[in-house]
Amino acid sequence: KNEVEQSPQNLTAQEGEFITINCSYSVGISALHWLQQHPGGGIVSLFMLSSGKKKHGRLIATINIQEKHSSLHITASHPRDSAVYICAVKDGGGADGLTFGKGTHLIIQP
Amino acid sequence: NAGVTQTPKFRILKIGQSMTLQCAQDMNHNYMYWYRQDPGMGLKLIYYSVGAGITDKGEVPNGYNVSRSTTEDFPLRLELAAPSQTSVYFCASSPGPYNEQFFGPGTRLTVL
Repeated sequence: KNEVEQSPQNLTAQEGEFITINCSYSVGISALHWLQQHPGGGIVSLFMLSSGKKKHGRLIATINIQEKHSSLHITASHPRDSAVYICAVKDGGGADGLTFGKGTHLIIQP
Repeated sequence: NAGVTQTPKFRILKIGQSMTLQCAQDMNHNYMYWYRQDPGMGLKLIYYSVGAGITDKGEVPNGYNVSRSTTEDFPLRLELAAPSQTSVYFCASSPGPYNEQFFGPGTRLTVL
């Protein structure tokens, strides 16, 4: 069973700062997901990646398959980025669901 | 498209009561999932389905049952509710096992 660890658990930063959230996993995967959970509780998918790097607006996600590690970066952070960011992995085989990290609670102060 | 919808949003149950959490999606996705989220813990898979008539257990299936009679609907049944089932329940769907998952808004369940 894959173990997914995220760091830091909590992060408070000032508006405009560059943010990095890390995710490591223990067993080889077919894909890694980054999700955002809003303060109201809803969960949305930000990225799904299996290699390299993806960018969407101010968000960048990278993955290093050999090191079993992924990072989520936020450039020019804004208070509306305040949320819980969740890393989840899809194991190599089977139709079952994702294995999730515990999440990183990010607060961006004005 | 409404995406993934869940009802109810909130519910309080007494120990031993039963209820069904409803989940529906209008994206014609074959794969559907039920997860629970406990405070300070990652989401955990309860049950999943790869299509109408096909369901399978996830990591934490005890105390729950599911059915999938149509592509659109994937209800989760709680029999004999226990305080350990107090949680937030999320339903999700995807076109396939290696695709992005779309989540419903969640149901917050308290068992007293």
